Order: sequence, then C-alpha cells, then structure tokens
Amino acid sequence: SQKIEQNSEALNIQEGKTATLTCNYTNYSPAYLQWYRQDPGRGPVFLLLIRENEKEKRKERLKVTFDTTLKQSLFHITASQPADSATYLCALDLDSNYQLIWGAGTKLIIKP
Amino acid sequence: EAGVVQSPRYKIIEKKQPVAFWCNPISGHNTLYWYLQNLGQGPELLIRYENEEAVDDSQLPKDRFSAERLKGVDSTLKIQPAELGDSAVYLCASSLGGGGGRGNEQFFGPGTRLTVL
Repeated sequence: SQKIEQNSEALNIQEGKTATLTCNYTNYSPAYLQWYRQDPGRGPVFLLLIRENEKEKRKERLKVTFDTTLKQSLFHITASQPADSATYLCALDLDSNYQLIWGAGTKLIIKP
Repeated sequence: EAGVVQSPRYKIIEKKQPVAFWCNPISGHNTLYWYLQNLGQGPELLIRYENEEAVDDSQLPKDRFSAERLKGVDSTLKIQPAELGDSAVYLCASSLGGGGGRGNEQFFGPGTRLTVL
C-alpha cells in the first residue's frame, strides 16, 4: 500500500541544537517534496521544495535532503529557537497527478 | 498582498443542519483547493478547481457535500445535512496555475473549525 510517514511523537529539542525531522514514504515516486509549517489554529505555510534530482536544499537555518533511493526526506533546523516550535508537514508532489499527498506531521517543541 | 481569506473561522451546528464555508483565494491564483483536516492528521483533499472547473472531486462525498467556484474566484463548500463525523477543520488553499502539485507551493487560509453536535 502507499503511505507517507512522519514521526508521530512530538520531538523535544533544546534551544540552540539542531532539530531533525523525518519523512518516509513507500510506493510513491514523487517529482518534488514540499515541507510546510503549521501553527495551532492556522493553515500550513510553505517552507521549502526539493526536486527529485536535488540532494539538498537550504534556506537560512533550514536544510532539506531528499534520497529517492531510501525514499526519505530529512528536514533540519539549525540553531533552533522556541519560535520554531510548530507542527511540520511533508507533502509528496507527484508528477502523475496534480495534488499533494500529505504526511500527518511532526510536532516540534524547542525548549529554552 | 492579502492572503487566502476564509469565513467563518468557527461554526457550531447540530447534526442534520446545513453549513457553508466561503473562501477568497489570492488574486491571480487559478487553482483552488478545499481540504479537510482532522486533529493530528495532514490535510485531505476534497476538491480541486482550475479556474471555475472542478478537475478533481473524486474524494468529495457527493451525497452530502457540494462546492462551487463561480467566475473562477471565490468558492463555497456546503454540507447538507451535516453528520457528527464531519467535525474537522476545513482548509482552503490556492496556487498559481499549472495544476495542483507540479512544484507549485500552496497558500492556505486559516481554516474553518466545524463542530457538529
């Protein structure tokens, strides 16, 4: 069966450390993979997109990797801050249809 | 630039009552989506519009849900009659033309939290 998995348990990280979130998928061949942030009571906000032929993408303190062999994407936040606390969603962007397939998200808590 | 606007933000109704949600996408965005999001889950697509045409409504429960996007701008999602299991957050999103994913980021509204009693 096709599925996309993110850490179901909340991730607690000490301020200043690097937070690493995982997105694994099976039986999909995404052309792109997108990461979004969602705060309580709000809609998801786009952060980064990485293409299947890209290994790594960076934006300020954010870094995303994409391994199509392992079928995995890692999302890193360096020098984490309490303001980074939120739920982070990954979404597969398939070339064969025109929609995003969403993971359930991982709740990240950055402790001061 | 204004973002995606949704109303109402919250709605509480009794089961079997009708309810409607409204969405105004970002100006110039041809693609509009309605999603349902349950607590602790990712968004689930209900329907996608390209301009005024519903190009993907395969996951819309058509016996009770309906949607329209007149003139290819604003959109309304309706549930009639509502059931207890419809309690969720209903999100509207928009993106530039070119079809759903295909590398286009989606811009979301704040959502409508529906509670069916």
